[in-house]
Amino acid sequence: AQKVTQAQTEISVVEKEDVTLDCVYETRDTTYYLFWYKQPPSGELVFLIRRNSFDEQNEISGRYSWNFQKSTSSFNFTITASQVVDSAVYFCALSEAETGANNLFFGTGTRLTVIP
Amino acid sequence: DSGVTQTPKHLITATGQRVTLRCSPRSGDLSVYWYQQSLDQGLQFLIQYYNGEERAKGNILERFSAQQFPDLHSELNLSSLELGDSALYFCASSPRGGSGANVLTFGAGSRLTVL
Repeated sequence: AQKVTQAQTEISVVEKEDVTLDCVYETRDTTYYLFWYKQPPSGELVFLIRRNSFDEQNEISGRYSWNFQKSTSSFNFTITASQVVDSAVYFCALSEAETGANNLFFGTGTRLTVIP
Repeated sequence: DSGVTQTPKHLITATGQRVTLRCSPRSGDLSVYWYQQSLDQGLQFLIQYYNGEERAKGNILERFSAQQFPDLHSELNLSSLELGDSALYFCASSPRGGSGANVLTFGAGSRLTVL
């Protein structure tokens, strides 16, 4: 069965600090996709990134970077030089390609608070 | 604006009542998903429709039902409401339904409060 674990429930950092949000997943599928979504205080869920199980290259987008390691079943998210606008709940999610469906299994989320 | 429209944004009702949540997917998207977000359960997948047909079912209670209409909008019906049904209900859409690669675009959610 699939499972996504975000062990960090809440993290607080001071503005301009770097912060890493951890995500560990479990799946029996060989083909799967990993996602990160952001939920700001306004409540909507905003897509940040998708990775497939065959692409372990790290990705960088501005201040955001993602580290995917199949060996440890982890897909961690780092925010460099954090800003107050980064304060949100961040969700890691897994989608399995072999079920024929496309539903996402979400972790419990990490609430990030950036203190000015 | 994500392009996924959900109504109503807020809804307050009483136990035992029935409500309908509505979702219009992003233009061109054929798949609609419903998720429930509550404090104790987190984000839970309820059900998926693809082009009018049910595609996948998650932790949806028997008191809940959904459908997707020919114009691709979807409705989630919640009946015999209980206090524990209070939650934020998200609708999401994606272009297709059969690949785990599809990115789901979420609406702003409908917040249901059952008193």
